[in-house]
Amino acid sequence: SQTIHQWPATLVQPVGSPLSLECTVEGTSNPNLYWYRQAAGRGLQLLFYSVGIGQISSEVPQNLSASRPQDRQFILSSKKLLLSDSGFYLCAWTPARTGAMNTEAFFGQGTRLTVV
Amino acid sequence: GENVEQHPSTLSVQEGDSAVIKCTYSDSASNYFPWYKQELGKRPQLIIDIRSNVGEKKDQRIAVTLNKTAKHFSLHITETQPEDSAVYFCADTAGTYKYIFGTGTRLKVLA
Repeated sequence: SQTIHQWPATLVQPVGSPLSLECTVEGTSNPNLYWYRQAAGRGLQLLFYSVGIGQISSEVPQNLSASRPQDRQFILSSKKLLLSDSGFYLCAWTPARTGAMNTEAFFGQGTRLTVV
Repeated sequence: GENVEQHPSTLSVQEGDSAVIKCTYSDSASNYFPWYKQELGKRPQLIIDIRSNVGEKKDQRIAVTLNKTAKHFSLHITETQPEDSAVYFCADTAGTYKYIFGTGTRLKVLA
C-alpha cells in the first residue's frame, strides 16, 4: 500500500533562518506531488506541484522554493524565513496520470511551522 | 484557467438538521469533483467524490450533486452529528495536474 511521510511535525524557527521540509511517498511510482500552505483558520493554498523529477511548477511567487531530487521525494525550502511564512504545511500526492481521470489526493500529516 | 468558489465560509446547524455546501467552478474541462473533511489539526481526507458522467452520488448520510450546466457541485450532509463539525473543502483540477481547493467551510453542529 502507498504511504506518505512528512517531517518534522512541528518546527519553530527564527526570522531569517533557512527552512527545509521533506516529504516522501512509498509504494507508488512517478506520483504527482504537491506542497500546500494553510494559514490559521484559512484555506489550502497551492504553493508548488511536480509531475516528475526536476519538474516544478510554482503557483505563488514568494521566498519559498521546491525541489524533487528523486521520484518520490519532494522538498520545500527557504533561504530566509519571514514571519508571514508561519502556517501548516501539507505535502500531498496523486497517482501518476496515464490518461485516467483525476483522483483523490493523499496528504501527509503536515508540518506546523512557527516563525518567531 | 481554474477557479473554484466555495460558500458559505461558516455554517452552523442544529444536530439532526441538514447542511449544504456549494462550490462553483469555471473551467468546462473539469471532470472530477471531490470533497474533503479536515478535523482540527489534522490532514484533509476525502469523504466523497463524483465524476462528470454522474449527477449524484450518495454514501450513507453524505451526498454530492453535480450540475454541469451551471458549473456547480454541492455537498449534502443529512442528520448531522457533532462529529461532523470540521472544515470541508471542495477541489477542482480542471482536468489538469493542478489540484486547487476551495476556500473551505467551517461547519459547526450544535448539540
